[in-house]
Amino acid sequence: DIQMTQSPSSLSVSVGDRVAITCRASQSVSTYLNWYQQKAGKAPKLLIYAASSLQSGVPSRFSGSGSGTDFTLTISSLQPEDFATYYCQQSYSTPWTFGQGTKVEIK
Amino acid sequence: QVQLQQSGPGLVKASQTLSLTCAISGDSVSSNSAVWNWIRQSPSRGLEWLGRTYYRSKWYNDYAVSVKSRITINPDTSKNQFSLQLNSVTPEDTAVYYCARAKSGSYLDWGQGTLVTVSS
Repeated sequence: DIQMTQSPSSLSVSVGDRVAITCRASQSVSTYLNWYQQKAGKAPKLLIYAASSLQSGVPSRFSGSGSGTDFTLTISSLQPEDFATYYCQQSYSTPWTFGQGTKVEIK
Repeated sequence: QVQLQQSGPGLVKASQTLSLTCAISGDSVSSNSAVWNWIRQSPSRGLEWLGRTYYRSKWYNDYAVSVKSRITINPDTSKNQFSLQLNSVTPEDTAVYYCARAKSGSYLDWGQGTLVTVSS
């Protein structure tokens, strides 16, 4: 199975801050990499697919980059509704696997 | 707009069978482009894919190695839904279970989640 490792595991930030979350795959996944946002008690929500494509309806302050083994989710200016846990997920090979999550908390 | 509605018990006794159903609206379980999945989430395991079913001229199933001997996912075309059965459960199977629709490599739509507690 492909292992997905996110860093950091958590971070404390302020509204308006720029946030970058990284995801590393144990082998190349090309650009078969997605990002999700999960709020407490809710199902994950797709933000970014194919490493850098913004899902319909997702604010443009979210962006994704990377290919191969190293990927980044960037939030350009954090808004109050963005405090949540973020997960990366590869769909290069079955089983599709998730990172362990990065919790974004209020400073 | 696709919606997935989960149903099933939230409490199962150890050694018994966990059964959940996911009713689909806005798409068909027989779609030639969608894949229907079960995923669970727990503090110890994180988000863990359990298995999937999909139709590409015939029905296919794939299961995670960790549960392969205990799991069955079945489509029900008459009710436009799919189900999860997990046999011989233990407390380690306690988790929030989600059904999810995937297309083109992404989980686009999710059920509301069901917390299943396995009691010993």
